Amino acid sequence: AQKVTQAQTEISVVEKEDVTLDCVYETRDTTYYLFWYKQPPSGELVFLIRRNSFDEQNEISGRYSWNFQKSTSSFNFTITASQVVDSAVYFCALTGPHNSGGSNYKLTFGKGTLLTVNP
Amino acid sequence: DTEVTQTPKHLVMGMTNKKSLKCEQHMGHRAMYWYKQKAKKPPELMFVYSYEKLSINESVPSRFSPECPNSSLLNLHLHALQPEDSALYLCASSQDLGAAGSPDTQYFGPGTRLTVL
Repeated sequence: AQKVTQAQTEISVVEKEDVTLDCVYETRDTTYYLFWYKQPPSGELVFLIRRNSFDEQNEISGRYSWNFQKSTSSFNFTITASQVVDSAVYFCALTGPHNSGGSNYKLTFGKGTLLTVNP
Repeated sequence: DTEVTQTPKHLVMGMTNKKSLKCEQHMGHRAMYWYKQKAKKPPELMFVYSYEKLSINESVPSRFSPECPNSSLLNLHLHALQPEDSALYLCASSQDLGAAGSPDTQYFGPGTRLTVL
């Protein structure tokens, strides 16, 4: 079975602070895919990044960066110089390959981390 | 801007009403999904359509009835709902269900906030 743990339920920071959101996953698949989504108060889930288990390169996109470490089964997300517009719930999600006994359409979500960035 | 649109944004209905939620995507995707999200919880998958056919029903009660009239439209018909069905209903789409071991990224719409009185 797959599992995603986002241990931080809520985080509150002041604008311009850096913040890291933790994501730890469990899976028996050797091939798997990890995602981060952002859900602002408006409700829409916004896709941020996808990473497959064979690609351990970290990624940076503007103020966002992701640290994927298979050795610790973690896929952490860092926002540098946070802004009020970053306030949202952030979900980490996991899915397996097509041949895992199910289909790889099904996302296993963590419970989400509510990030509040105060001015 | 999202290319998955959902209407209405908000819906209030009584337990005896019949209503429908609508979803449209303009990305040429062939897979579409309905999710239900309760407050402070992650989304829960309800239905999956692939090439306009129902592929997955995650044991959803029959008072929820999905329909896919064409590859870009997805409806969710609601009838005799209960107050506990109040939630945010999210539609998503992906290129396909995923082939050759690699899943297709799901893109979500803004959701419909449903309140059942």
